[in-house]
Amino acid sequence: QQQVKQSPQSLIVQKGGISIINCAYENTAFDYFPWYQQFPGKGPALLIAIRPDVSEKKEGRFTISFNKSAKQFSLHIMDSQPGDSATYFCAAGYSTLTFGKGTMLLVSP
Amino acid sequence: DTGVSQNPRHKITKRGQNVTFRCDPISEHNRLYWYRQTLGQGPEFLTYFQNEAQLEKSRLLSDRFSAERPKGSFSTLEIQRTEQGDSAMYLCASSLNPDWVLETQYFGPGTRLLVL
Repeated sequence: QQQVKQSPQSLIVQKGGISIINCAYENTAFDYFPWYQQFPGKGPALLIAIRPDVSEKKEGRFTISFNKSAKQFSLHIMDSQPGDSATYFCAAGYSTLTFGKGTMLLVSP
Repeated sequence: DTGVSQNPRHKITKRGQNVTFRCDPISEHNRLYWYRQTLGQGPEFLTYFQNEAQLEKSRLLSDRFSAERPKGSFSTLEIQRTEQGDSAMYLCASSLNPDWVLETQYFGPGTRLLVL
């Protein structure tokens, strides 16, 4: 009930391409869905978050798409840049957060 | 820098020793969270405080682990009788929650623990 499944485990995208990472959750009580970016040796940093009352949220090059009925949400990174190379984590929760296992993104120049 | 700070950044200890980590949250943030992160995994929730009250503890938090937030500001996480399986990055995060809805959690840089 508390699992958050994230895919793919790793992703290679060419510069300028679109990176797409998917997550699925089980607990229908979850009402907060953030995406975090983490660089080696650093703590995670919030990229963008969504609540279930909307199906999409866009901030700059980052977009969350949310499908409540399918219990899935995804992160789209438009015009991916080498500086976006990092590990991305989805998370979900209502009082505490459960994180996915992460996706290591490499954007090739 | 007004972000979340954690000390020490690195700790090497021998099995059986006790260790204590400190987290200083963003000023005025009423919630403080502790997570553990192992290589190739996402952060795993350990416990959280609302002001000085410890409201929830994960099953991961064995009896050897104890956390405090005595004045609702900084927090400490102590691990007694460390085991090699405790080797991990310990992350602290804080957030400002005017009600019971989850809000943005700001993470510190973490304390990396290695138990020999």
